[in-house]
Amino acid sequence: GNSVTQMEGPVTLSEEAFLTINCTYTATGYPSLFWYVQYPGEGLQLLLKATKADDKGSNKGFEATYRKETTSFHLEKGSVQVSDSAVYFCALRVKDTGRRALTFGSGTRLQVQP
Amino acid sequence: EAQVTQNPRYLITVTGKKLTVTCSQNMNHEYMSWYRQDPGLGLRQIYYSMNVEVTDKGDVPEGYKVSRKEKRNFPLILESPSPNQTSLYFCASQGARSSYNEQFFGPGTRLTVL
Repeated sequence: GNSVTQMEGPVTLSEEAFLTINCTYTATGYPSLFWYVQYPGEGLQLLLKATKADDKGSNKGFEATYRKETTSFHLEKGSVQVSDSAVYFCALRVKDTGRRALTFGSGTRLQVQP
Repeated sequence: EAQVTQNPRYLITVTGKKLTVTCSQNMNHEYMSWYRQDPGLGLRQIYYSMNVEVTDKGDVPEGYKVSRKEKRNFPLILESPSPNQTSLYFCASQGARSSYNEQFFGPGTRLTVL
């Protein structure tokens, strides 16, 4: 089956620190990979995605590279801000005929202190 | 504004009392889905719908029903709620053009069953 493993949180950083949140996956087939972000009291928002090996997704200063050889999709940001405090979910989806179910990791809470 | 709305946002109920959580999207999306989010488990798909009158089970459908009588609405029905259905529920929708299009999530409904 499909599964996503993320590092457990919370991750606590000071403002302007470098962020890495690890994500590895197992999948039957060739998945697309996603990072979603959930701000307090809100639904999930797509942060970035990559659909094939070696693709780099990027948005709002966040980046993640699809590494097929290590089955990983680690999220990075060079300088975090207090406003980045949220829960981050790594997810995958294998192309199918209709179900389109996303398989999520358990989420990593990021707390950025001023 | 393109959005997915859910009501209610918070609900406390008792075992066995039927309830419905509504979901509506204004993007004319064919695909809609329900997920539940539980600590340490990420999000798991309950049911999904490819279009009006077309619904199917996800990973955790037991104890839930859905209907899709109109394109914009996809209510989640708990005929006889039990405490193990206490969770955070998210509705999502997606357009049909590409299976890798972004899924848009609602703000969530926090349900407590006593």
